Amino acid sequence: KAGVTQTPRYLIKTRGQQVTLSCSPISGHRSVSWYQQTPGQGLQFLFEYFSETQRNKGNFPGRFSGRQFSNSRSEMNVSTLELGDSALYLCASSMGPSGRAYNEQFFGPGTRLTVL
Amino acid sequence: DQQVKQNSPSLSVQEGRISILNCDYTNSMFDYFLWYKKYPAEGPTFLISISSIKDKNEDGRFTVFLNKSAKHLSLHIVPSQPGDSAVYFCAASRSGGSQGNLIFGKGTKLSVKP
Repeated sequence: KAGVTQTPRYLIKTRGQQVTLSCSPISGHRSVSWYQQTPGQGLQFLFEYFSETQRNKGNFPGRFSGRQFSNSRSEMNVSTLELGDSALYLCASSMGPSGRAYNEQFFGPGTRLTVL
Repeated sequence: DQQVKQNSPSLSVQEGRISILNCDYTNSMFDYFLWYKKYPAEGPTFLISISSIKDKNEDGRFTVFLNKSAKHLSLHIVPSQPGDSAVYFCAASRSGGSQGNLIFGKGTKLSVKP
């Protein structure tokens, strides 16, 4: 069974630009969550989608947005990039919102975004 | 305010000995706890979990202990192996409901020396 895939793996952008990251969950998983990992803050929750609906959102500015498609694939978008947005962006999938299986999330390898 | 804390940024252990990684949480609504292991340039890998109805869960060399009254959990690895060297993240969540996101600690870097 293929794992969670994320594209691209590495990205370099400049301040003010926007970026779109993609995540394909494990087949059969309907929930996708996004996390930002930085050395100082660790792993921080961005948002979660289930059946194309955003179910939960972390404490990030509106420049960070996402969506989920009918095949459960998800994208996240960051507009007007800032230097502080440089981070590893991780996508995780799980089966769905029911108890334990929901919470055991499987992570992709991440997209390393560098903002210059 | 950090809801999940891993107060030791790093830990060094000799091969064959026990590794004990600790985690504290503040939110009493958390009822499901997980440990993830992360190698450089890879995403976190699920290791072991525990529900708040239990105080211990064991899987091979890995055991997680939960002390609800102290809001503390720990991961024991015995015997430790060099391949266990990685960053370990503790995470907490509320199972079911609408809170599906995981709250992570900042991680503890474990080094197992041969």
